[in-house]
Order: sequence, then structure tokens, then C-alpha cells
Amino acid sequence: QVQLVESGGGVVQPGTSLRLSCAASGFTFSSNGMHWVRQAPGKGLEWVALIWYDGSNKYYADSVKGRFTISRDNSKNTLYLQMNSLRAEDTAVYYCARLSDWWIDCWGQGTLVTVSS
Amino acid sequence: QTVVTQEPPFSVSPGGTVTLTCGLSSGSVSTSHYPSWYQQTPGQAPRTLIYNTNTRSSGVPDRFSGSILGNKAALTITGAQADDESDYYCVLYMGSGIWVFGGGTKLTVL
Repeated sequence: QVQLVESGGGVVQPGTSLRLSCAASGFTFSSNGMHWVRQAPGKGLEWVALIWYDGSNKYYADSVKGRFTISRDNSKNTLYLQMNSLRAEDTAVYYCARLSDWWIDCWGQGTLVTVSS
Repeated sequence: QTVVTQEPPFSVSPGGTVTLTCGLSSGSVSTSHYPSWYQQTPGQAPRTLIYNTNTRSSGVPDRFSGSILGNKAALTITGAQADDESDYYCVLYMGSGIWVFGGGTKLTVL
């Protein structure tokens, strides 16, 4: 079955960098766009970024534009989120999610990123 | 900046019907926003309920339905059950590769 498994979360200091990964299985990864969505503690879901199935187009929320980079390696069935210049407000559970046409049809379990000094 | 609006916390009686909505701070929601709905319980990942306005995701009970009501997207739960007590989020496609989630509605069944 379709499985998305995030990794790479942890506790980091403000201003530093972190790279998240999302390993996909159970479907043809190279056929689907992929999102990152985050959820700060006790808050709602926030869309972060989208990458097309072939990596040719990338889109970002204003809150992360210029600091975060979404990428993918279709040969490894893996999605990435490079997060630079991290801030306290980036503290959240980060979910990867599969794009199907114009909606999300499945989600990973999430990885927690804590930005704190 | 466009804001996607959802109701504050809501309650419904067991067996009752509730409609949650998803609107825009400016303008109307249409099928071109491809509204979709997600259910989330504490500590769990979201679960896709409804996509493309009114299509139920695989395994979702038919007591959940989606529609456009007036200028908003709507999620209706008919015959609410105790395990429907969750947070519900909508998301809209705003064009140019941008999606925006609503703030979510916490639904209590009591």
C-alpha cells in the first residue's frame, strides 16, 4: 500500500539548517507531485511547498520562501525539504503528502522539528 | 493575502447532522478551487475525507458528503457518531501552485 515516511526532524538552534526526507513506497513516485505541510503545536495545518512530479516546478508559501527548498530524487523515491535560517516559528510537525490531480490523497505520519535556543 | 475561513468550535448531538463550511475572506469558493476536506484527531496525521468538492476518499463512510453551498465549500456529516469528534480542515487551490488551508474546526459530538 501507499506509504510515506518522514525523517530528519530534531531540535536545532535558530539560524541553523535542517534537511527533512520523505521516503515513498507503494506507488510510482515519479508520477505524482508532492507537498510538504506543517502543523505548529496546538495549531492548524499550513501548506509549505509543492514540487511537480518531475521536479520542474516548485512553489512555496510566503512564510518560507527564500529559506526552504523542496526537491526530489525520483531514482530514490524520496522527497526532501531543505530548511535554512530556521526560526522559532518554524517549530512544527512536518508532513509530506501526495498530490493527486488537485488534492492531497495521502499523508505521512510526520516528523517534529523544534527550533529553540 | 487570501484567508480561508472555517467555523470556530462546533458541537453536534449523536445522530445529528452538521455542516461545516470553508469560505474565502474575499470572493467565493467554487469547484475551480478543488476544495478538499481532512479529518485529524490529536496526535495523528490528517486523513483525507473529501476531494474535488464532493468525492469521498476510499473507505470514508457515506455519512460524509461535500458540496458548494452558496459561496462556500461545505462538509456535511449526517448521523454524527462519537468517533467523528475531530478537527476538520479544508484546503483550497488558489492557482499558480499555491494551496491554502483553513484554520480548522474542532467538532465535538455530545
